[in-house]
Amino acid sequence: GAVVSQHPSWVICKSGTSVKIECRSLDFQATTMFWYRQFPKQSLMLMATSNEGSKATYEQGVEKDKFLINHASLTLSTLTVTSAHPEDSSFYICSAREGRERTDTQYFGPGTRLTVL
Amino acid sequence: DAKTTQPNSMESNEEEPVHLPCNHSTISGTDYIHWYRQLPSQGPEYVIHGLTSNVNNRMASLAIAEDRKSSTLILHRATLRDAAVYYCILRDSGTYKYIFGTGTRLKVLA
Repeated sequence: GAVVSQHPSWVICKSGTSVKIECRSLDFQATTMFWYRQFPKQSLMLMATSNEGSKATYEQGVEKDKFLINHASLTLSTLTVTSAHPEDSSFYICSAREGRERTDTQYFGPGTRLTVL
Repeated sequence: DAKTTQPNSMESNEEEPVHLPCNHSTISGTDYIHWYRQLPSQGPEYVIHGLTSNVNNRMASLAIAEDRKSSTLILHRATLRDAAVYYCILRDSGTYKYIFGTGTRLKVLA
């Protein structure tokens, strides 16, 4: 099956710093990538939809200036958490969709655990 | 966005079949039904998906009600490795977005 990677797998940073998380589709070209966050014992919450070469579409309540998303190529999307605060500590997961067929599915990365001190 | 409803948790004995139900009464005619599972501290893993007809693959079977308002994921012989949170998701046909519900935590007893 299709493989999606994320880097780093975990990161610890100080409050006020920015953190970049990469999401790569390794064996297919992803026309669309999605970013989710997941708090402990909770379900995944969609943050934004990212199409290659265009601006990301953010879900209601997600601050676009705080969570910067770039989808510069068909295999790479990045999420930058700017001026991170402890409440941004979470498990961030990306997914990618190839987009060649209406029936195709999303493939998820392994996730990045962010801890803000 | 159409929503799904699943039981919070279920238990099964190893080597026995498991039927995981999902209600999606507000499904639209073009929404696909997707199932994923998630192990702790991992990303969700694709299990199966369908639109109207029942579907089978090497991992599971998906039975879809005739009115499409519910579906059932069937694991034919549960193993300890099947213990996970199983999510039933409706994929928006226009945006391709997934809206995750609370999922069902499956516990498999040895």
